[in-house]
Amino acid sequence: GQQLNQSPQSMFIQEGEDVSMNCTSSSIFNTWLWYKQDPGEGPVLLIALYKAGELTSNGRLTAQFGITRKDSFLNISASIPSDVGIYFCAGSGTYKYIFGTGTRLKVLA
Amino acid sequence: EPEVTQTPSHQVTQMGQEVILRCVPISNHLYFYWYRQILGQKVEFLVSFYNNEISEKSEIFDDQFSVERPDGSNFTLKIRSTKLEDSAMYFCASSLVTDYEQYFGPGTRLTVT
Repeated sequence: GQQLNQSPQSMFIQEGEDVSMNCTSSSIFNTWLWYKQDPGEGPVLLIALYKAGELTSNGRLTAQFGITRKDSFLNISASIPSDVGIYFCAGSGTYKYIFGTGTRLKVLA
Repeated sequence: EPEVTQTPSHQVTQMGQEVILRCVPISNHLYFYWYRQILGQKVEFLVSFYNNEISEKSEIFDDQFSVERPDGSNFTLKIRSTKLEDSAMYFCASSLVTDYEQYFGPGTRLTVT
């Protein structure tokens, strides 16, 4: 079946640093979504990408839809303590969304 | 801001019992989804639903599972005979159209004992 590989699995960063994570797949997706999940809560949508090559920002977050439609990355600039959590990518195609394995982010103040 | 709601927040049931998890999607959305997340793992797609029919389902969604939109607002997931391995967080989500922004509810934690 379709799989999304997300890297890194986890990362510790200092407050104020920039963060980069990415998702890759062997399958083509029509849409890429990026979510943040806090413990015990549902995923919260951060950014949606609809076209190959699209670059979209939401505050300190920037995400890009890869040209091949098989990958996407998310950047967080000037991280703050509340950025802690698990970040998931999700690719959609034909009525379902496949989620990546997640990147656990820990920010050291 | 519109949001997806789910009830109950936590359900404890005994193995072999039936459970129904309830969701109220965002009111103008047309596509509805159920996902499962076992503790510490990724979010897994179960089923998508549109126009009162299942659009897509995963291999996890076997004959023990069913979904229904009993009225104009609720969307339910039924597990007929729960197993220990069904213990997980179950999330409902909705989107206006397919391949579009998808919004999640807060989840129902199902514990099967």
